Amino acid sequence: DAGVTQSPTHLIKTRGQQVTLRCSPKSGHDTVSWYQQALGQGPQFIFQYYEEEERQRGNFPDRFSGHQFPNYSSELNVNALLLGDSALYLCASSWGSAGGSETQYFGPGTRLLVL
Amino acid sequence: GDSVTQMEGPVTLSEEAFLTINCTYTATGYPSLFWYVQYPGEGLQLLLKATKADDKGSNKGFEATYRKETTSFHLEKGSVQVSDSAVYFCALVTGGSYIPTFGRGTSLIVHP
Repeated sequence: DAGVTQSPTHLIKTRGQQVTLRCSPKSGHDTVSWYQQALGQGPQFIFQYYEEEERQRGNFPDRFSGHQFPNYSSELNVNALLLGDSALYLCASSWGSAGGSETQYFGPGTRLLVL
Repeated sequence: GDSVTQMEGPVTLSEEAFLTINCTYTATGYPSLFWYVQYPGEGLQLLLKATKADDKGSNKGFEATYRKETTSFHLEKGSVQVSDSAVYFCALVTGGSYIPTFGRGTSLIVHP
Protein backbone atom coordinates (compact mmCIF):
# COMPACT_ATOMS: atom_id res chain seq x y z
CA ASP A 1 0.00 0.00 0.00
CA ALA A 2 1.70 3.17 -1.20
CA GLY A 3 1.75 6.04 1.20
CA VAL A 4 1.63 9.70 0.32
CA THR A 5 4.02 10.54 -2.50
CA GLN A 6 5.32 13.95 -3.57
CA SER A 7 7.30 15.24 -6.50
CA PRO A 8 9.82 16.59 -7.07
CA THR A 9 11.94 15.93 -3.98
CA HIS A 10 14.03 19.07 -4.45
CA LEU A 11 13.62 22.20 -6.52
CA ILE A 12 15.63 25.38 -7.06
CA LYS A 13 13.95 28.50 -8.45
CA THR A 14 14.73 32.18 -8.68
CA ARG A 15 12.73 35.09 -7.35
CA GLY A 16 9.67 35.94 -9.41
CA GLN A 17 9.34 32.49 -10.95
CA GLN A 18 6.40 30.15 -10.55
CA VAL A 19 6.49 26.60 -9.19
CA THR A 20 4.16 23.60 -9.17
CA LEU A 21 4.44 20.82 -6.62
CA ARG A 22 2.57 17.54 -6.85
CA CYS A 23 1.07 15.09 -4.37
CA SER A 24 -0.63 11.71 -4.57
CA PRO A 25 -2.60 10.74 -1.47
CA LYS A 26 -2.49 7.46 0.38
CA SER A 27 -4.74 4.83 -1.16
CA GLY A 28 -8.32 5.26 0.01
CA HIS A 29 -7.88 8.89 1.05
CA ASP A 30 -9.82 11.68 -0.63
CA THR A 31 -8.59 14.79 1.17
CA VAL A 32 -5.27 16.53 0.65
CA SER A 33 -3.75 19.25 2.82
CA TRP A 34 -0.63 21.29 2.13
CA TYR A 35 1.80 22.68 4.70
CA GLN A 36 4.86 24.92 4.60
CA GLN A 37 7.66 24.04 7.02
CA ALA A 38 10.36 26.67 7.34
CA LEU A 39 13.72 25.61 8.75
CA GLY A 40 13.49 24.99 12.48
CA GLN A 41 9.74 25.52 12.58
CA GLY A 42 6.64 23.39 12.74
CA PRO A 43 4.45 22.95 9.65
CA GLN A 44 2.08 25.81 8.85
CA PHE A 45 -1.24 24.97 7.19
CA ILE A 46 -1.70 26.40 3.68
CA PHE A 47 -4.99 24.88 2.47
CA GLN A 48 -7.01 21.70 2.19
CA TYR A 49 -8.79 20.18 -0.80
CA TYR A 50 -11.78 17.86 -0.73
CA GLU A 51 -14.00 16.87 -3.66
CA GLU A 52 -11.86 19.05 -5.93
CA GLU A 53 -12.62 22.20 -3.96
CA GLU A 54 -10.68 24.23 -1.43
CA ARG A 55 -12.35 23.44 1.88
CA GLN A 56 -10.16 25.39 4.30
CA ARG A 57 -7.35 27.89 3.96
CA GLY A 58 -4.65 29.10 6.30
CA ASN A 59 -3.08 32.53 6.48
CA PHE A 60 -1.24 32.48 3.14
CA PRO A 61 -1.47 35.01 0.30
CA ASP A 62 -3.24 34.41 -2.98
CA ARG A 63 0.12 33.66 -4.61
CA PHE A 64 -0.44 30.19 -3.16
CA SER A 65 -3.08 28.28 -5.07
CA GLY A 66 -3.98 24.67 -5.56
CA HIS A 67 -5.98 22.12 -7.39
CA GLN A 68 -7.34 18.66 -6.76
CA PHE A 69 -7.97 16.21 -9.57
CA PRO A 70 -10.72 13.57 -9.86
CA ASN A 71 -8.23 10.88 -8.79
CA TYR A 72 -7.69 12.91 -5.55
CA SER A 73 -4.12 13.89 -6.41
CA SER A 74 -3.28 17.53 -5.90
CA GLU A 75 -1.02 20.36 -7.00
CA LEU A 76 0.30 23.35 -5.11
CA ASN A 77 1.20 26.38 -7.20
CA VAL A 78 3.19 29.34 -5.97
CA ASN A 79 3.49 32.44 -8.16
CA ALA A 80 5.94 35.33 -7.96
CA LEU A 81 8.31 33.43 -5.70
CA LEU A 82 9.99 35.27 -2.84
CA LEU A 83 13.13 34.31 -0.97
CA GLY A 84 10.93 33.67 2.06
CA ASP A 85 9.09 30.92 0.20
CA SER A 86 12.14 28.68 0.63
CA ALA A 87 10.91 25.81 2.78
CA LEU A 88 9.92 22.16 2.92
CA TYR A 89 6.42 21.76 1.48
CA LEU A 90 4.51 18.87 2.95
CA CYS A 91 1.43 17.18 1.63
CA ALA A 92 -0.84 15.19 3.93
CA SER A 93 -3.84 13.04 3.14
CA SER A 94 -6.82 11.85 5.15
CA TRP A 95 -10.44 10.69 4.88
CA GLY A 96 -12.64 13.67 4.13
CA SER A 97 -16.14 12.31 4.49
CA ALA A 98 -18.26 13.40 7.45
CA GLY A 99 -16.33 16.66 7.64
CA GLY A 100 -12.83 15.38 7.92
CA SER A 101 -10.42 13.31 9.94
CA GLU A 102 -8.08 14.22 12.75
CA THR A 103 -5.34 11.84 11.64
CA GLN A 104 -3.30 12.93 8.64
CA TYR A 105 -0.61 10.97 6.82
CA PHE A 106 2.32 13.00 5.55
CA GLY A 107 4.49 12.65 2.49
CA PRO A 108 8.26 13.12 2.49
CA GLY A 109 7.99 16.69 1.26
CA THR A 110 9.43 18.84 -1.51
CA ARG A 111 12.31 21.08 -0.53
CA LEU A 112 12.10 24.38 -2.40
CA LEU A 113 15.01 26.79 -2.52
CA VAL A 114 14.40 30.26 -3.94
CA LEU A 115 17.51 32.18 -4.97
CA GLY B 1 -6.15 31.22 19.13
CA ASP B 2 -4.88 27.70 19.56
CA SER B 3 -1.20 27.22 20.26
CA VAL B 4 1.34 24.58 21.26
CA THR B 5 4.52 25.22 23.21
CA GLN B 6 7.34 22.69 23.29
CA MET B 7 10.58 22.69 25.19
CA GLU B 8 13.48 23.98 23.17
CA GLY B 9 16.08 21.60 21.91
CA PRO B 10 18.27 20.02 21.16
CA VAL B 11 17.81 17.40 23.82
CA THR B 12 20.98 15.33 23.96
CA LEU B 13 20.95 11.95 25.71
CA SER B 14 23.01 8.81 25.95
CA GLU B 15 21.55 5.53 24.76
CA GLU B 16 19.21 3.89 27.33
CA ALA B 17 18.56 7.20 29.11
CA PHE B 18 15.04 8.33 30.07
CA LEU B 19 13.40 10.86 27.79
CA THR B 20 10.90 13.59 28.54
CA ILE B 21 9.89 16.24 26.03
CA ASN B 22 7.49 18.79 27.47
CA CYS B 23 4.45 20.04 25.59
CA THR B 24 1.75 22.43 26.79
CA TYR B 25 -1.16 23.81 24.86
CA THR B 26 -3.77 26.53 24.71
CA ALA B 27 -7.02 25.73 22.99
CA THR B 28 -10.72 26.54 22.95
CA GLY B 29 -12.82 23.52 23.65
CA TYR B 30 -11.39 20.06 24.08
CA PRO B 31 -8.68 19.27 21.56
CA SER B 32 -7.22 15.98 20.48
CA LEU B 33 -3.48 15.83 21.04
CA PHE B 34 -0.76 14.29 18.90
CA TRP B 35 2.95 13.62 18.75
CA TYR B 36 4.57 13.42 15.32
CA VAL B 37 8.18 12.43 14.59
CA GLN B 38 10.32 13.63 11.68
CA TYR B 39 13.45 11.67 10.86
CA PRO B 40 16.21 13.45 8.92
CA GLY B 41 15.21 14.11 5.32
CA GLU B 42 11.70 12.74 5.76
CA GLY B 43 8.15 13.94 6.31
CA LEU B 44 6.18 13.68 9.55
CA GLN B 45 4.97 10.37 10.94
CA LEU B 46 2.21 10.08 13.50
CA LEU B 47 3.75 8.65 16.67
CA LEU B 48 0.79 8.62 19.06
CA LYS B 49 -2.39 10.46 19.95
CA ALA B 50 -4.95 10.96 22.70
CA THR B 51 -8.46 12.26 22.21
CA LYS B 52 -9.73 13.00 25.71
CA ALA B 53 -8.55 13.88 29.18
CA ASP B 54 -6.56 11.18 31.02
CA ASP B 55 -6.14 9.12 27.84
CA LYS B 56 -2.66 7.70 27.34
CA GLY B 57 -1.29 7.35 23.84
CA SER B 58 1.55 4.90 23.28
CA ASN B 59 3.62 3.53 20.43
CA LYS B 60 7.14 2.08 19.98
CA GLY B 61 7.90 2.54 23.68
CA PHE B 62 6.84 6.20 23.69
CA GLU B 63 3.98 7.37 25.90
CA ALA B 64 2.09 10.60 26.54
CA THR B 65 -0.87 11.30 28.84
CA TYR B 66 -3.49 13.96 28.13
CA ARG B 67 -3.55 16.15 31.25
CA LYS B 68 -6.44 18.61 31.07
CA GLU B 69 -5.74 20.19 34.46
CA THR B 70 -2.21 21.20 33.42
CA THR B 71 -2.98 21.47 29.66
CA SER B 72 -0.01 19.23 28.96
CA PHE B 73 0.89 16.23 26.82
CA HIS B 74 4.50 15.39 27.68
CA LEU B 75 6.26 12.71 25.65
CA GLU B 76 8.23 10.05 27.55
CA LYS B 77 10.31 6.99 26.79
CA GLY B 78 12.02 4.81 29.34
CA SER B 79 15.12 3.90 27.33
CA VAL B 80 16.05 5.77 24.16
CA GLN B 81 18.02 4.34 21.26
CA VAL B 82 20.28 6.01 18.71
CA SER B 83 17.55 5.34 16.12
CA ASP B 84 15.18 7.63 18.08
CA SER B 85 17.23 10.65 17.02
CA ALA B 86 14.76 12.88 15.20
CA VAL B 87 12.63 16.00 15.60
CA TYR B 88 9.45 15.55 17.63
CA PHE B 89 6.38 17.74 17.10
CA CYS B 90 3.47 18.15 19.47
CA ALA B 91 0.18 19.12 17.84
CA LEU B 92 -3.47 19.67 18.63
CA VAL B 93 -6.70 19.49 16.66
CA THR B 94 -9.85 21.19 17.86
CA GLY B 95 -13.30 20.01 16.91
CA GLY B 96 -14.55 20.91 13.48
CA SER B 97 -11.40 22.06 11.73
CA TYR B 98 -9.41 18.80 11.61
CA ILE B 99 -6.34 20.95 10.88
CA PRO B 100 -3.48 20.40 13.34
CA THR B 101 -1.68 23.26 15.05
CA PHE B 102 1.96 22.28 15.52
CA GLY B 103 4.59 23.28 18.01
CA ARG B 104 8.03 24.33 16.78
CA GLY B 105 9.51 20.88 17.28
CA THR B 106 12.14 19.51 19.64
CA SER B 107 15.29 17.92 18.26
CA LEU B 108 16.45 14.76 20.05
CA ILE B 109 20.02 13.54 19.65
CA VAL B 110 20.91 10.17 21.15
CA HIS B 111 24.60 9.20 21.46
CA PRO B 112 25.82 5.59 21.64
